[in-house]
Amino acid sequence: GENVGLHLPTLSVQEGDNSIINCAYSNSASDYFIWYKQESGKGPQFIIDIRSNMDKRQGQRVTVLLNKTVKHLSLQIAATQPGDSAVYFCAENYGGSQGNLIFGKGTKLSVKP
Amino acid sequence: KAGVTQTPRYLIKTRGQQVTLSCSPISGHRSVSWYQQTPGQGLQFLFEYFSETQRNKGNFPGRFSGRQFSNSRSEMNVSTLELGDSALYLCASSFTGGGDTEAFFGQGTRLTVV
Repeated sequence: GENVGLHLPTLSVQEGDNSIINCAYSNSASDYFIWYKQESGKGPQFIIDIRSNMDKRQGQRVTVLLNKTVKHLSLQIAATQPGDSAVYFCAENYGGSQGNLIFGKGTKLSVKP
Repeated sequence: KAGVTQTPRYLIKTRGQQVTLSCSPISGHRSVSWYQQTPGQGLQFLFEYFSETQRNKGNFPGRFSGRQFSNSRSEMNVSTLELGDSALYLCASSFTGGGDTEAFFGQGTRLTVV
């Protein structure tokens, strides 16, 4: 499979536990944020997004929290499953087009059965 | 409906050669963006096409170019390949390409330059 990051921070959790993946973004003008999941050998897959006028958004088993004061984004995964093992990227957008989408380096989530 | 399709999946080229990669977006999507993914730099934006026009461009040299056809399919070309061009090249399609719309990624083309 693809090794998308040789030196990625790694989070290892037990199946069934909750996971929290953190991301610091760079531009205080960014107004839209996205979390992507990338499994080995696949392209990034959209998980959840949040706009800057919100501080929390929930999806199915996932919650994104946004703290604009410290430019911090987090992704919480409830009841983590082996299928959640992947690299997770946050992305920020400040210009209103795909061209201004800046991706973080990613965090590798490893779920132990 | 079919997802984003990138061809080929794997390529091996020699330094100095050129390469063309293809991306077929999801039916109805008019925006196609290209990204380069490497272990050291992560995901970096190359360019975006919308309705056959390059709408945005990242910070890559002129050796990297692209185009989009009337059916929204897109190609990117890299000329005079360098070892550092070895990467996973991803394309993403979306309906409008707006920054707040979901983009769907293909599986990528793994380019190795030797």
